[in-house]
Amino acid sequence: DGGITQSPKYLFRKEGQNVTLSCEQNLNHDAMYWYRQDPGQGLRLIYYSQIVNDFQKGDIAEGYSVSREKKESFPLTVTSAQKNPTAFYLCASSIEPPSAGYGYTFGSGTRLTVV
Amino acid sequence: AQSVAQPEDQVNVAEGNPLTVKCTYSVSGNPYLFWYVQYPNRGLQFLLKYITGDNLVKGSYGFEAEFNKSQTSFHLKKPSALVSDSALYFCAVSPGPFYGNNRLAFGKGNQVVVIP
Repeated sequence: DGGITQSPKYLFRKEGQNVTLSCEQNLNHDAMYWYRQDPGQGLRLIYYSQIVNDFQKGDIAEGYSVSREKKESFPLTVTSAQKNPTAFYLCASSIEPPSAGYGYTFGSGTRLTVV
Repeated sequence: AQSVAQPEDQVNVAEGNPLTVKCTYSVSGNPYLFWYVQYPNRGLQFLLKYITGDNLVKGSYGFEAEFNKSQTSFHLKKPSALVSDSALYFCAVSPGPFYGNNRLAFGKGNQVVVIP
């Protein structure tokens, strides 16, 4: 079955550590996205990529980095510069352009906690 | 840029009663509209969408939504709520073809609580 896989489901980070969240899709989607979700704040866009080897900052990119070396993969690194990284992170993908009307497919999320 | 408003933080409804979750939007041109549902510690799941055609759209789990262009609304409805419908619901909009920045804009979400 086609889908989008995020790993790990739960992740614990010590202060000052970088951590990388994995996102893999086998839907042959061109575009991929990373969102951060905090209680009561909805979804906030971190980064997105419309094509391999290219990506753009979203609304809250500071303290995060991404790469898009393969169409199937869009890993997110939460760096030590991100001062409040505890949150639920969601990856999504879509056919490009989204105006094709298919919406987004979401992964099941990674919950990151700073310990 | 496109935007979505979901005016209520939480919707409480008794089991068996009709459920309505409100959504209004702002977008250039004709909108593409979506509803997603999220259960705790899970990703968003697609419920239904409006692209064109009939203003009443039917989706998964007995949900439907009505597109109202004059009121720029796309309210989600279910005739008889179940306890299992308790979840977080997101409305999203993107502009149709030929408009730039065609990414989805999400509302902040509405928590639905169905009371047994």
